[in-house]
Amino acid sequence: SYVLTQPPSVSVAPGQTATITCGGGKIESRNVHWFQQRPGQAPVLVIFYDSDRPSGIPERFSGSKSGNTATLTISRVEAGDEADYYCQVWDADSDHWVFGGGTRVTVL
Amino acid sequence: EVQLVQSGGGLVQPGGSLRLSCVGSGIAFGSNSLNWVRQAPGKGLQWVAHIGTSSSNIYYADSVKGRFTISRDNAKDSLFLQMKNLRANDTAVYYCASRTGGGMDLWGPGTTVTVSS
Repeated sequence: SYVLTQPPSVSVAPGQTATITCGGGKIESRNVHWFQQRPGQAPVLVIFYDSDRPSGIPERFSGSKSGNTATLTISRVEAGDEADYYCQVWDADSDHWVFGGGTRVTVL
Repeated sequence: EVQLVQSGGGLVQPGGSLRLSCVGSGIAFGSNSLNWVRQAPGKGLQWVAHIGTSSSNIYYADSVKGRFTISRDNAKDSLFLQMKNLRANDTAVYYCASRTGGGMDLWGPGTTVTVSS
């Protein structure tokens, strides 16, 4: 089965840049979506199709992809960005949606 | 208001059954593919099941295939998850999620399912 690998945690100071990676085989040929989940809340889509932002999501959130790695970048990090972040792809080989294990972003 | 409203969670014994519901408002419900996603206590997100707009494409995670059934009633803007032969490791918060065109861009608040004797 297809696996997406994320670092368990990332720490960043306010105003700095947080970078969250998501690795997977042949990810360059898959559309990657990213979700933010604050404690006790439902997930929120922050990036879809690798780099598109839904309406209402700040421009500080951006997505990119290179080789076998997709990246979510949060610029000018704020305290409110502290949350778990998940990447997701559709695995057409198994007809399954696949989530990465999640990355906890801590704002120092 | 654009939202998904969930109901149907609760406490059930191992081997028991439960039916979850999710009702949409403010969206073109029938035009969206729909999913159930769950999150066990302290764990990450796990996709459970997918249903296409006209129920033509239905897929399940291996861990629930044969025990869970996803269905929808577009006339009532409703999504369902019938869960049978529940196990302790099915304990989780279950979310319904709607996919308009890109990613899963609208989620319900979640409903808790606890499987325990």
